[in-house]
Amino acid sequence: EVQLVESGGDLVQPGGSLRLSCAASGFTFSDYWMHWVRQVPEKGLVWVSRINDGGSDTFYADSVKGRFTISRDDAKNTLYLEMNSLRVEDTAVYYCARENWQVWDWGQGTLVTVSS
Amino acid sequence: EIVLTQSPGTLSLSPGERATLSCRASQEVARSYFAWYQLKPGQAPRLLIYSASSRATGIPDRFSGSGSGTDFTLTISRLEPEDFAVYYCHQYGNSLPITFGQGTRVEIK
Repeated sequence: EVQLVESGGDLVQPGGSLRLSCAASGFTFSDYWMHWVRQVPEKGLVWVSRINDGGSDTFYADSVKGRFTISRDDAKNTLYLEMNSLRVEDTAVYYCARENWQVWDWGQGTLVTVSS
Repeated sequence: EIVLTQSPGTLSLSPGERATLSCRASQEVARSYFAWYQLKPGQAPRLLIYSASSRATGIPDRFSGSGSGTDFTLTISRLEPEDFAVYYCHQYGNSLPITFGQGTRVEIK
């Protein structure tokens, strides 16, 4: 069974930093492209970032480019999102997702709150 | 960027009624990379439909997807109490950024 478990969400002040993790199990993690997607409270889903299998190609939404970094450790079956210079508008539930051809599998999410 | 516009914003219906949700794309989207999700508070997004018309594993057959090009539709043939939620369309083809619609809320009338 595919499992994706996010962690690392917290309350952080504007300008602060946070690192999210996504522990994967139930599949060969190194074979898949992975994504981070966030949901702002009472608002919609917004794609944040993608990393290919191998980790050589990364892509970001304009709203986080230069502030967030996606990475993966295939030996640990873990996806990361390093978030710097956090803003109030980054407050959201962050989900990791596996892109399995036409089907995406999702974790349960971790809440990041940016507030003073 | 491919903008996905969902309509209506809110659908007020009674259990047993038919729900028709629309998603219009600003550019052509490959059917293979178009999906529909259901979201409920505190839960992970639930994949309903992928490749525009294929039901995901475990999804009841009252959910169906159709469309191509720039116009896609999610139909719920007979609403059950558990179907009242927010629904999002999603495109994830080669054109970045990957985008979602703004959502359609299906609420109990």
